[in-house]
Amino acid sequence: QSVLTQPPSVSGAPGQRVTISCTGSSSNIGAGYDVHWYQQLPGTAPKLVIYSNRNRPSGVPDRFSGSKSGTSASLAITGLQAEDEADYYCQSYDSSLSGSVFGGGTKLTVL
Amino acid sequence: EVQLVESGGGLVQPGRSLRLSCAASGFIFDDYAMHWVRQAPGKGLEWVSGISWNSGSIGYADSVKGRFTISRDNAKNSLYLQMNSLRAEDMALYYCAKDGRGYDSKGWFDPWGQGTLVTVSS
Repeated sequence: QSVLTQPPSVSGAPGQRVTISCTGSSSNIGAGYDVHWYQQLPGTAPKLVIYSNRNRPSGVPDRFSGSKSGTSASLAITGLQAEDEADYYCQSYDSSLSGSVFGGGTKLTVL
Repeated sequence: EVQLVESGGGLVQPGRSLRLSCAASGFIFDDYAMHWVRQAPGKGLEWVSGISWNSGSIGYADSVKGRFTISRDNAKNSLYLQMNSLRAEDMALYYCAKDGRGYDSKGWFDPWGQGTLVTVSS
């Protein structure tokens, strides 16, 4: 059972928009700690796609965006492409656990 | 270019020990906190441990507390994870990651190494 809750899977057709939710609690997201998002392609190490709720690292397409409100956060991907098919994870810091925490991951399928 | 290269993984019997290393290059190592994150086969990511730039602040996941010890040698640009009393559930790919926020260990992870595989089996 992960501290941050994500849907196990989402899907969308090429060109469509999908969102992935990440729900936490008052000791992590709700306490004001930032949320970060990672993309993991099959057989590769995770790659940062959003940091501090809404910031994109250099090289990440602007099709990727993030938001945060209350105890939840979301990753949105617009103009879906086949190359976006991957597992996505949210991450934050938890003050009760005194450490970082991850969501369980969401598998994105591009139909 | 920032590079993180893990080593030290392998096959180990339950109850035995293993020490992982992570060699860092391409950035000022002692300006950044560092982390270990693991991923069991077919499972999600699990944060294992983090250490601040000067080793003054260290944290562990409850699942490894008391068995694993994180450390760093800033003179050697290296991060370590001493794993004792290994269990079957510790079997995973272990990644080393740089904390993007900097000095403390409450930020994001970027970049990640390629990982080193730890197999726990008799």
